[in-house]
Amino acid sequence: EVQLVESGGGLVQPGGSLRLSCAASGFTLSDFYMDWVRQAPGKGLEWVGRLRRKPNSYTTDYAASVKGRFTISRDDSQNSLYLQMNSLKTEDTAVYYCARTPEFYYYGMDVWGQGTTVTVFS
Amino acid sequence: QSVLTQPPSASGTPGQSVTISCSGSSSNIESNYVYWYQQFPGTAPKLLIYRNNQRPSGVPDRFSGSKSGTSASLAISGLRSEDEADYYCATWDDRLSGRVFGTGTKVTVL
Repeated sequence: EVQLVESGGGLVQPGGSLRLSCAASGFTLSDFYMDWVRQAPGKGLEWVGRLRRKPNSYTTDYAASVKGRFTISRDDSQNSLYLQMNSLKTEDTAVYYCARTPEFYYYGMDVWGQGTTVTVFS
Repeated sequence: QSVLTQPPSASGTPGQSVTISCSGSSSNIESNYVYWYQQFPGTAPKLLIYRNNQRPSGVPDRFSGSKSGTSASLAISGLRSEDEADYYCATWDDRLSGRVFGTGTKVTVL
């Protein structure tokens, strides 16, 4: 079964750091672009960033709201994706989803994890 | 704050058709593919439409997408109670160099 499972969410104070993980199963992570998307409580979806594949030099793009604070990385040998979040703010409180972004769906996100909750409180 | 605007709500009775609009600009919808996602409360979104009007396998043909200029639409025909969910449009924005989502539309089946 094709699946993504996020972990690493939790409570953190403003200015703190957290690292989210996204474990893939049922497919080879290295074959795909991967995105992170978040959803604040009661709000809509917000794109966080994207990490491309090795043939695309592992390039990244980030939303302006997280650029310079968040870093997406991958370990293809572990079939895992990561989101390192630094200098966290209260407005980063959200459910964070990782999503597969295949070329065969023209980079629509077809497989999503269940989400992991990050709460930044003061 | 979102660059894509959707109506906050839409509704219909079972069997009716509902259309959700998504308004953007030349830097996003007009020059890139549009996607639509369906989300039920407390669950992850699901890809409903890609490449403006294509359905992934398993998505009923009651769902259809279209795009014209700087706007896109999702139509749901033969509305069913299980269609009651939030719907989001999405695309790439060349000016922002990032993916953008619409504000979201809550569909209610009366």
